[in-house]
Amino acid sequence: AQSVTQLGSHVSVSEGALVLLRCNYSSSVPPYLFWYVQYPNQGLQLLLKYTTGATLVKGINGFEAEFKKSETSFHLTKPSAHMSDAAEYFCAVIRSMFSGGYNKLIFGAGTRLAVHP
Amino acid sequence: KAGVTQTPRYLIKTRGQQVTLSCSPISGHRSVSWYQQTPGQGLQFLFEYFSETQRNKGNFPGRFSGRQFSNSRSEMNVSTLELGDSALYLCASSPKGQLNEKLFFGSGTQLSVL
Repeated sequence: AQSVTQLGSHVSVSEGALVLLRCNYSSSVPPYLFWYVQYPNQGLQLLLKYTTGATLVKGINGFEAEFKKSETSFHLTKPSAHMSDAAEYFCAVIRSMFSGGYNKLIFGAGTRLAVHP
Repeated sequence: KAGVTQTPRYLIKTRGQQVTLSCSPISGHRSVSWYQQTPGQGLQFLFEYFSETQRNKGNFPGRFSGRQFSNSRSEMNVSTLELGDSALYLCASSPKGQLNEKLFFGSGTQLSVL
């Protein structure tokens, strides 16, 4: 069964500093992996996704993530944090296609990112 | 193109009552999924509909039900409300509900059960 673990429920960085949000997955088959962001009082917005192909995935707002099969990780990074990046970030894995799970996302617990001046 | 619209935005109910939440997907999207978000349990999958058929269901009691209409709009119903049902209910749509598709989320309905 697929699962996702996000290390660190809260991360605080200075404006302009590197953002690193950690995500490890568990999957018995090649996973489809996603990062979503949730701003206060809003729904979720897709930042980026990995399905197949290139392991370094670039997303919106300057974020990128690298799929590392050997480490079962899909960490999210951004070289320089901006105040507007303050939000909650969710890593997610899609349920295996072999069990017929259309669009059934398994979410991590989330990481709240704070950016201070 | 209008986004995913969920109504109402806020709802207050008392224990034992029932509630119906509505979701209008992006035009042309035929798959609608529902998720429950709580501080304790995080985001959990409720169910997914495609062309008026439920294709997937999460681990929720039978008090949680849903349906989808021919225009792809979806409703979810919770009967005999419990305090623990207080949550943000999110609806998401996608064109076909395929595994690698991007989900578009609405802003959610915040349900409070007193």
